Amino acid sequence: EAGVAQSPRYKIIEKRQSVAFWCNPISGHATLYWYQQILGQGPKLLIQFQNNGVVDDSQLPKDRFSAERLKGVDSTLKIQPAKLEDSAVYLCASSRGGEPLHFGNGTRLTVT
Amino acid sequence: GQSLEQPSEVTAVEGAIVQINCTYQTSGFYGLSWYQQHDGGAPTFLSYNALDGLEETGRFSSFLSRSDSYGYLLLQELQMKDSASYFCAVRDSQTGANNLFFGTGTRLTVIP
Repeated sequence: EAGVAQSPRYKIIEKRQSVAFWCNPISGHATLYWYQQILGQGPKLLIQFQNNGVVDDSQLPKDRFSAERLKGVDSTLKIQPAKLEDSAVYLCASSRGGEPLHFGNGTRLTVT
Repeated sequence: GQSLEQPSEVTAVEGAIVQINCTYQTSGFYGLSWYQQHDGGAPTFLSYNALDGLEETGRFSSFLSRSDSYGYLLLQELQMKDSASYFCAVRDSQTGANNLFFGTGTRLTVIP
């Protein structure tokens, strides 16, 4: 089966600019996650979707981050405006529910 | 909330055995997972323990003791390609979403 697809692979922006990331999960996976991984740390959950509904967004900085999952398939994560501390790898993962999570290769964001 | 502790770095010799420990604190424990991540790559699932005891998958084994809030990952017959970061993660039901929370990771270096 095809894996989780993410784009772009790399993105460099200036602070206060906007950026969007795209994720296409594995076909048939109802659950989709966005994680933020700062260099040298473990992935931190930002938001979890079940189909096209948000299950948990308690750790999403809602003043600047937003995410949606259209028709329960693809998802986009947006940051507006970006801050220097947003520099990280943004990982998308999907699952049928529970283990295992299948991760994409991530988008490496650098904010200058 | 959740907290996980694991050693930050471990070095071992090719062909040897290494154990990576993880202690956790969580309010709604469902299970302990292990993921491997090579530099620049996506986290990949290794194992999951929901019940006490040892789970074996090839060269990798994972152990869980729920009474001690403790688990470990055992890697046998180490190979150079095992050099990577290893994350323990707990599935926590506190938010009602049954989310996966990651530790800070253990960087394993395998030397000849």
